[in-house]
Amino acid sequence: NAGVMQNPRHLVRRRGQEARLRCSPMKGHSHVYWYRQLPEEGLKFMVYLQKENIIDESGMPKERFSAEFPKEGPSILRIQQVVRGDSAAYFCASSRTGGRSYEQYFGPGTRLTVT
Amino acid sequence: DAKTTQPPSMDCAEGRAANLPCNHSTISGNEYVYWYRQIHSQGPQYIIHGLKNNETNEMASLIITEDRKSSTLILPHATLRDTAVYYCIVRGNGGSQGNLIFGKGTKLSVKP
Repeated sequence: NAGVMQNPRHLVRRRGQEARLRCSPMKGHSHVYWYRQLPEEGLKFMVYLQKENIIDESGMPKERFSAEFPKEGPSILRIQQVVRGDSAAYFCASSRTGGRSYEQYFGPGTRLTVT
Repeated sequence: DAKTTQPPSMDCAEGRAANLPCNHSTISGNEYVYWYRQIHSQGPQYIIHGLKNNETNEMASLIITEDRKSSTLILPHATLRDTAVYYCIVRGNGGSQGNLIFGKGTKLSVKP
């Protein structure tokens, strides 16, 4: 049973370009969460999605960031017009269902470097 | 979600038990205690969670006090590969029900 998969593992973008990060949840999981970890800092929640629905985006920056989890295919975190401050590790997690009694399983992360 | 307090760092000798404490004095009755760890640069790894009763799995044991104001994660025979930052998270029924709130955690160093 494959775990949470994220690609690419490393992504380099120049300032002003777009970054697309992909996350495939574990088999049987329909809930996806995105977290960001800035250098030398802790993980911060960004967004929580179910298929075709955004459940909670309270941690998403107001501009340039968007996320989706379509009916078919992986979840996508999209960052438009990247800036140096977007350089971070972005982790995706999935759970079988939502709610506080279900554990989240994390992927290996995508390391974004903005030059 | 209730706030948690953990020591910033701990050392443990290889082969000995590692006991990681966590205080969560404001926990409410329907909040779960979760433990995750992050080995350098990797994605966080789920370890264990519990509500009231003590729990054990192949990785660790979780001891929750009767008043639920604190808990201890026990790694019975620590190895060098257990060196990581360990996060104690109390997860309640906030608006999202989804997100985990990671604090600073405890940096566990297992030494030979």
